[in-house]
Parts: sequence; structure tokens; C-alpha cells
Amino acid sequence: DGGITQSPKYLFRKEGQNVTLSCEQNLNHDAMYWYRQDPGQGLRLIYYSQIVNDFQKGDIAEGYSVSREKKESFPLTVTSAQKNPTAFYLCASSITPGHYEQYFGPGTRLTVT
Amino acid sequence: AQSVTQLGSHVSVSEGALVLLRCNYSSSVPPYLFWYVQYPNQGLQLLLKYTTGATLVKGINGFEAEFKKSETSFHLTKPSAHMSDAAEYFCAVSGTSYDKVIFGPGTSLSVIP
Repeated sequence: DGGITQSPKYLFRKEGQNVTLSCEQNLNHDAMYWYRQDPGQGLRLIYYSQIVNDFQKGDIAEGYSVSREKKESFPLTVTSAQKNPTAFYLCASSITPGHYEQYFGPGTRLTVT
Repeated sequence: AQSVTQLGSHVSVSEGALVLLRCNYSSSVPPYLFWYVQYPNQGLQLLLKYTTGATLVKGINGFEAEFKKSETSFHLTKPSAHMSDAAEYFCAVSGTSYDKVIFGPGTSLSVIP
């Protein structure tokens, strides 16, 4: 079955540590996205990539970094510079950017203490 | 800039009653519009989308939405609520450059037996 996988489902880290969240898709989609979800705030775009080896900052990129070395993979690193990293992180992909629907992974809940 | 407003952060309906979730958008370009549903601790799933053509769009699970350009609205309806419809619902509009989508803050739907 085609889809998007995110691992792990739950992640716990100590403050000051960098952590990388995995996102893999086997849908052969060009575009991939990372969102952060906090209660009552909907989805906020962190980074997106329209093609391999290219990515753009979203609305809340500070304290995060990404790479897109392979079409199927778009890992997100939450750095120690992110002031409030505890959140639910969602990865998504679409055939091409913009007006096509996005397919979402199951999410990773990150807790930093 | 594109934006999405969802009236009512929380809506409660009785089982069997009409479901109406409101979405208004602003867009400087012809919009592509989406409704997604999210169950607890899961990713988002596409319910339906409007791209061009027929303004009444039918989706999965008995939901439908009507695009009204004059009212800049894309309200989601279902004639008869089921307990399994309890979830978070997000309306989204394509961005100006069609390279991403803008999500609304979400509406939490509760279904009362």
C-alpha cells in the first residue's frame, strides 16, 4: 500500500538536544510538507519542498531544519534553538505543489522536558 | 494574502441531526478549496475538494460542500450525523502561488447520542 510513514509515533527528548523526525513516502509525490499542530491553532507550515534538493521556509521555520536528498524522504530536525518544541508534527505530500490534495502521515508527538 | 476562517471552534449536534460546519476564505486568485478530517492522534484525511466546475462537491462519508464565490464560503454539510463523525475538521485554501495550502484553525465536532 502506498502512503506516508512517520516514525516514531511518540518521541521524548531533554531540552537542549536536537532531534530528527522521519518522514517517508512511497507515493512518488514531488512535493512534501512539514506542519506543526498545537491545540486550538490548526496547522502551521514549517518547511516545504517542491522537488529533490530544494526546500522553502514556511511560516514558522525558526529553530527547524530539513533536507530533501531523496524524493521519498523529507526528515525534519528540531534544533535546540526552537523555543517551544513540544507539539504534534505532521508530514504530508502531494503530487505536485499547491492545488492538489495533500496526503498526511500519522504524525509524531514530540515532548521536550 | 490567503486566509481561512472557520466559525465556531466547537460544534455539537445530536445523532441524526444536520451537520453544518462553516468556512469562509479570502483569496486573491481563483481558489482551490479543501475539507480535511482528523481523528484524535492521527493525520488528516481529505473529505472533499473544489477545483473548478460544479460548485456542489460530494465527498466521502456522506459529506458535501458548496462553493459560493459571492459569499467566499465553502461550508461543509452532512444530512444526518453519526457518532463516528466526531472529529476535528479543517478547511483549507490554496496559496497565492499554488505552492502550498492555508489551513483554517479547525472545528471540533461532537455528536451527542
